[in-house]
Amino acid sequence: AQTVTQSQPEMSVQEAETVTLSCTYDTSESDYYLFWYKQPPSRQMILVIRQEAYKQQNATENRFSVNFQKAAKSFSLKISDSQLGDAAMYFCAYRSFSGGYNKLIFGAGTRLAVHP
Amino acid sequence: DGGITQSPKYLFRKEGQNVTLSCEQNLNHDAMYWYRQDPGQGLRLIYYSQIVNDFQKGDIAEGYSVSREKKESFPLTVTSAQKNPTAFYLCASSPRGPSYNSPLHFGNGTRLTVT
Repeated sequence: AQTVTQSQPEMSVQEAETVTLSCTYDTSESDYYLFWYKQPPSRQMILVIRQEAYKQQNATENRFSVNFQKAAKSFSLKISDSQLGDAAMYFCAYRSFSGGYNKLIFGAGTRLAVHP
Repeated sequence: DGGITQSPKYLFRKEGQNVTLSCEQNLNHDAMYWYRQDPGQGLRLIYYSQIVNDFQKGDIAEGYSVSREKKESFPLTVTSAQKNPTAFYLCASSPRGPSYNSPLHFGNGTRLTVT
């Protein structure tokens, strides 16, 4: 079974600085998707960025980018120019397509604090 | 605007009572999901449905039941058999099919407290 591990329960960063959140996963599948979701205090889950496993190029979305290392099964999220609004829980998720259905497997999350 | 509506936002029940959480979507999505969120454990899949009148157990289905009589609705019943029902419950939906690319859309969640 696939698993997702986020080894940093909490992280903090100064406003305007850069922070990297770690995520590793375990799978025997060769084709899959990876996602980062943000959950602010409102508890709404917001998609931040996604990565297709067959693409070598790392995905970027404005200030958010990933470092995808397929062989190492690593999928870290880098937030540049951090803003106060980036403070939230961040969840790494793996999409499995085994059995013919879409299923997201989540890590335990990393709580990010942004200090002015 | 399209989206997913979960109601109520907060729900309180006495131990031993069944309770039903509502989830409605107007995104025309075929697939719907229920996740449970506990502190330090991320989100865990309870049930999912790929199409009307069909649903499958997720990783932690014991003590829960669902129905999918309409495409727009996927209610979750937390039964008295669920040993630790107090949690935050999130409903999600996505287009059906083999596309890996479509992300899940989430509702705002229901916080259930059982005493």
